[in-house]
Amino acid sequence: QVQLVESGGGVVQPGRSLRLSCAASGFTFSSYGMHWVRQAPGKGLEWVAVIWYDGSNKYYADSVKGRFTISRDNSKNTLYLQMNSLRAEDTAVYYCARDLGATPLPFYYFDYWGQGTLVTVSS
Amino acid sequence: EIVLTQSPATLSLSPGERATLSCRASQSVSSYLAWYQQKPGQAPRLLIYDASNRATGIPARFSGSGSGTDFTLTISSLEPEDFAVYYCQQRSPLFGQGTKLEIK
Repeated sequence: QVQLVESGGGVVQPGRSLRLSCAASGFTFSSYGMHWVRQAPGKGLEWVAVIWYDGSNKYYADSVKGRFTISRDNSKNTLYLQMNSLRAEDTAVYYCARDLGATPLPFYYFDYWGQGTLVTVSS
Repeated sequence: EIVLTQSPATLSLSPGERATLSCRASQSVSSYLAWYQQKPGQAPRLLIYDASNRATGIPARFSGSGSGTDFTLTISSLEPEDFAVYYCQQRSPLFGQGTKLEIK
């Protein structure tokens, strides 16, 4: 069965960096676009970033552009999110999510999600 | 920028009743709209995509309809496990603010 397991969250001071990982199993990871989606405490969902199945294209929400970098290692079935210059407003549960389609272009629908990892940005 | 507005913010119903949730887009999104269910402490679950297609494993009591700017998620007869928060999402991608479906 499809499994996505995030790790790397924690408490970090404003301005510092953190790298999240998402280990995938139960499907052909290299065939799917992958996303990060976040949810601030008690708030709604916010899409963060997408990476194409082969890593050739990456897109970001305006709120994280220039600070966050999405990447993947298809040999390790792992997705990453490098977060730099963190701000208090980045505090959220971060979910990795699989794109719906095993196609070159992502559908931008999310059919499987990890359990999430909490990032708290606080001094 | 497209804005998705969900209504009502909270819907109070009893098990066995029919639930109708609305999502309105500020401009046409064609049929490119999905619905998710989220229970406390859990990740969201994809229910419906492209306005009316049920995702894998989703019970038939969940149905979606609409196109353009007005969309509806209908739960034909509420089960106890259906009480949760529901989000619509269009492919820009952007989420609505959610509708909380609570037990009356």
